[in-house]
Amino acid sequence: QVQLQESGPGLVKPSETLSLTCTVSGGSVSSGSYYWSWIRQPPGKGLEWIGYIFYSGSTNYNPSLKSRVTISIDTSKNQFSLKLTSVTAADTAVYYCARIWTWFDPWGQGTLVTVSS
Amino acid sequence: DIVMTQSPDSLAVSLGERATINCKSSQSVLYSSNNKNYLAWYQQKPGQPPKLLIYWASTRESGVPDRFSGGGSGTDFTLTISSLQAEDVAVYFCQQYYSTPYTFGQGTKLEIK
Repeated sequence: QVQLQESGPGLVKPSETLSLTCTVSGGSVSSGSYYWSWIRQPPGKGLEWIGYIFYSGSTNYNPSLKSRVTISIDTSKNQFSLKLTSVTAADTAVYYCARIWTWFDPWGQGTLVTVSS
Repeated sequence: DIVMTQSPDSLAVSLGERATINCKSSQSVLYSSNNKNYLAWYQQKPGQPPKLLIYWASTRESGVPDRFSGGGSGTDFTLTISSLQAEDVAVYFCQQYYSTPYTFGQGTKLEIK
């Protein structure tokens, strides 16, 4: 079955760029049936959808983050990535990648990114 | 944005008893062309990612025990656990996929009384 795994630095300095990669196994990001998404969860809080990408490269971002977010896809590596610029402490969260058909399933295990100097 | 509001924020239920969690959307998530409610429920245990339980408001995901059921339509939805088991202790979230930005309820923490 499809599995997703997030990777990237666990600590980012304020004002810098957060970069994460999601590696997909057991399935292909080139599948025309699914979108590929990022969601985040601040410690002890709820879930916030960040955005998604289709294999063609088309994207859809949450307006609350749109000015700072870029999601890209590398079909040759079966990966998709997240970049979030100008981070602050408010961006500290567990970041999840997930597959979307209409709902989110499956999810990666998540990776905690802390923004601190 | 569609705002999803869950109630209660936390709930303590005895083992074997029924647990009911409510979710209300700020606008209807019923798509008239196919008569489907664009709503999902997830279960999140500590240190784990959310797990899909129910989609289309009432369709149980494969492998999910039948003590979990979803109901409702339009703007008002419920997740019911008919007979609470110890392994059901978790936070439960509803989510609408009717329109972007996709949004989640704030979560309901379910504990054993």
